[in-house]
Amino acid sequence: GQQLNQSPQSMFIQEGEDVSMNCTSSSIFNTWLWYKQDPGEGPVLLIALYKAGELTSNGRLTAQFGITRKDSFLNISASIPSDVGIYFCAGLGIGSGNNRKLIWGLGTSLAVNP
Amino acid sequence: GAGVSQTPSNKVTEKGKYVELRCDPISGHTALYWYRQSLGQGPEFLIYFQGTGAADDSGLPNDRFFAVRPEGSVSTLKIQRTERGDSAVYLCASSLDGRDSQYFGPGTRLTVL
Repeated sequence: GQQLNQSPQSMFIQEGEDVSMNCTSSSIFNTWLWYKQDPGEGPVLLIALYKAGELTSNGRLTAQFGITRKDSFLNISASIPSDVGIYFCAGLGIGSGNNRKLIWGLGTSLAVNP
Repeated sequence: GAGVSQTPSNKVTEKGKYVELRCDPISGHTALYWYRQSLGQGPEFLIYFQGTGAADDSGLPNDRFFAVRPEGSVSTLKIQRTERGDSAVYLCASSLDGRDSQYFGPGTRLTVL
């Protein structure tokens, strides 16, 4: 099925460093979502973006909805050990009718060295 | 409860058996989704309910998979004649009306021996 291009695939950083990851698509989306998934858990919604150009923060997390509607990035500032996990981007298309499936990236695995 | 809940958290079964997985969505959410996730992959869409009806079941892999949501709240994913390839984490999500952000449950880890 269709997937978003998410990069990087993995990151290993030192505690305190900033992190940036992004997603791109050949299709237009009208909603971008960023999730974090810990082992053995379901994805947890971090940030939702609904308007092109929108920049939204949630604590140390900042995400932007690209102007073209085909990309989004997530930044994490001053990383801490509990930021470890897999981060997924997901796009909700400009849908028709009831078909509102999320399209997912393959995830960015983040490891933080204390 | 406040979030999406799923039971059981783990299910081990033998090849050929029938299993049911349950999802309790967030109260008031009309849209409910089932996903399947394999190790190292993002969630794979299975089926989407709007109210009691399956609005999109295009992700169900074959006719061994079926899901119901008879009263527009709790949903059950049913898998007949399980195969080893069905082993995965089955995730449920709900959203307010299908256009809103989706909130996930913790998943059910299904292992078919």
